[in-house]
Amino acid sequence: GESVGLHLPTLSVQEGDNSIINCAYSNSASDYFIWYKQESGKGPQFIIDIRSNMDKRQGQRVTVLLNKTVKHLSLQIAATQPGDSAVYFCAETLRAGNQFYFGTGTSLTVIP
Amino acid sequence: DTAVSQTPKYLVTQMGNDKSIKCEQNLGHDTMYWYKQDSKKFLKIMFSYNNKELIINETVPNRFSPKSPDKAHLNLHINSLELGDSAVYFCASSQVWSSGGPGETQYFGPGTRLLVL
Repeated sequence: GESVGLHLPTLSVQEGDNSIINCAYSNSASDYFIWYKQESGKGPQFIIDIRSNMDKRQGQRVTVLLNKTVKHLSLQIAATQPGDSAVYFCAETLRAGNQFYFGTGTSLTVIP
Repeated sequence: DTAVSQTPKYLVTQMGNDKSIKCEQNLGHDTMYWYKQDSKKFLKIMFSYNNKELIINETVPNRFSPKSPDKAHLNLHINSLELGDSAVYFCASSQVWSSGGPGETQYFGPGTRLLVL
């Protein structure tokens, strides 16, 4: 399944499928990006980060892709599990200006 | 051990009251933050403190004031509470600010659910 964070805030996928959550960031000068996961009733938790000098970074079952040309960030979750159900936020940082912003979030629901 | 803790977890109060939310982090981080999350899950940063200096102060009403007695604590005071203040407030901390790397990763507390009646 695939979503566009700003326009489709809800994404439903079957357990075992891969998920793609997208984020369009606003500032072309942003140089550091983070994906957070927020489970129901909890605070956001760090998942994975990427610097602007990279276009891909992999973690455990997660991959972040950065396309600076179109100011687009995506989070790919492999073999999605019920425990992945949460709201996912991207955050962009402009370190020089001490600025950072959270995206609007995408709610991921995994269907068993 | 809880890395970032907040008290209280729930806060129900009348309009016009003054209340405080406390936050403590035991990670040894240099920077702490307060966020407001509305019913649509939108996260808005309100304040951050680095070494007891306010470095971000978004356009929030001056009824909200952060107080940092030391590096490990950043409390949020709210005066004359209004209905629109109802939200979940998150405290967070990070190692350093503008470090150029993982220091920007923020660790969030469990949130304080504020309901103003």
